[in-house]
Amino acid sequence: GAVVSQHPSWVICKSGTSVKIECRSLDFQATTMFWYRQFPKQSLMLMATSNEGSKATYEQGVEKDKFLINHASLTLSTLTVTSAHPEDSSFYICSEDLAEETQYFGPGTRLLVL
Amino acid sequence: QKEVEQNSGPLSVPEGAIASLNCTYSDRVSQSFFWYRQYSGKSPELIMSIYSNGDKEDGRFTAQLNKASQYVSLLIRDSQPSDSATYLCAVNEGGGGNKLTFGTGTQLKVEL
Repeated sequence: GAVVSQHPSWVICKSGTSVKIECRSLDFQATTMFWYRQFPKQSLMLMATSNEGSKATYEQGVEKDKFLINHASLTLSTLTVTSAHPEDSSFYICSEDLAEETQYFGPGTRLLVL
Repeated sequence: QKEVEQNSGPLSVPEGAIASLNCTYSDRVSQSFFWYRQYSGKSPELIMSIYSNGDKEDGRFTAQLNKASQYVSLLIRDSQPSDSATYLCAVNEGGGGNKLTFGTGTQLKVEL
């Protein structure tokens, strides 16, 4: 399977600050990556589809101005949580979309907003 | 709205037994189905994928798909304590977008 890394693995920030999370594909060139969010004891919820060289596609209910996605290269997608608030505290996970329709997930980033 | 349903559990089985995990989905056009394992505090890891009706075996794992009944299952033979985790069923919604819809997961506990 594919190898996907995320950085940082966890972050604590103050309310109102912005946090950037990086997702890297280490062994494939990924034109498409997905960003998910998982609250405790809940399943993964797709936030957006990150497309290399073009705008991300956001799921209904996800604010594109709050969750900024940049996919400037085939190996890196970033998610920036702007003006983070405690309700944004969650487990953020990216995945790489391979040609055979299989997604491989990064290790995730745990965000705690105080 | 596309839905993927799983029993949240916990499902408790003794070590060495067969664990049976079930999943139903609502969207008839779905073509690709996946089982992921998620340990507490970790991200999901792919266990099995299945695309055609019938059974697909990989080691101790067998995925079963019945598109007519919109049902997919995962059997784990000779369950081990290390299999204790949450198992997520995921369905590709088709249309070339490769977006996955996840169930809420079934927590499996394998007891000594």
